Amino acid sequence: GQQVMQIPQYQHVQEGEDFTTYCNSSTTLSNIQWYKQRPGGHPVFLIQLVKSGEVKKQKRLTFQFGEAKKNSSLHITATQTTDVGTYFCAGRIGNAGNMLTFGGGTRLMVKP
Amino acid sequence: SAVISQKPSRDICQRGTSLTIQCQVDSQVTMMFWYRQQPGQSLTLIATANQGSEATYESGFVIDKFPISRPNLTFSTLTVSNMSPEDSSIYLCSVIVGNTIYFGEGSWLTVV
Repeated sequence: GQQVMQIPQYQHVQEGEDFTTYCNSSTTLSNIQWYKQRPGGHPVFLIQLVKSGEVKKQKRLTFQFGEAKKNSSLHITATQTTDVGTYFCAGRIGNAGNMLTFGGGTRLMVKP
Repeated sequence: SAVISQKPSRDICQRGTSLTIQCQVDSQVTMMFWYRQQPGQSLTLIATANQGSEATYESGFVIDKFPISRPNLTFSTLTVSNMSPEDSSIYLCSVIVGNTIYFGEGSWLTVV
C-alpha cells in the first residue's frame, strides 16, 4: 500500500548546526504537510506545500516539495534547543479524500 | 483557527473495559478525524467522523472496537472498547479549518 517514508529516524545535533529531514512517497502526492510534535505534546501544523518544486520558508525553516511531488524536505538552519521535537511529514494522495498518510517522523535532539 | 479540547487528557484503564474520549471544537467543522499514535510511533488515521452519517473507518479499524459519535458540527466522541494493553496509545482528534489541520492535545491512554 501507499507509504510515506521519512529519514532519518533520529538526529542528534549540536546547537547551531543545521538539520534536514527527508520524506519520500511511493506515489505522487497532491500535497504534503509538515508537523512538529514537542515531547509530551500534540502535532502542530507547520506548513502545506502543493505545487511541484515549491519552496517555502518560515524563519530558519525551509520546506521543499520535489518536482515529481513524491518527495519533500525540511531544513532547519542553525538549530536551537527550542527546535527539539519530532517532525512529521504527511502526504495526501490525489484521490484519497481527506486521508493523510504520515511519515514515521524524525526525532530531533539538540545539544546545547 | 480552531481550538480543540479533548477529554480525558490521560487515563489508566483496566483491560476489558471501555473508555469514551470526547472532542469539542470551538467552531463548526464538516469533518472531524480520529488518529491513534502508539508509543514512539507515527500517527494512523482511525476514522473520519461525519455529522449525520456513520463514521468512515480506515483499513484495520472497525466500528465494534472504535464506535464513534458525531451528534453535531462541534463535537465527537471515540470509544475504545474492550481494551487491551495494545490499545495503549495517544488518541488525537483533528479538524480541518481552511487549509490548516488542527489537532487536539490528545488523550493518553494506558491499559493495564
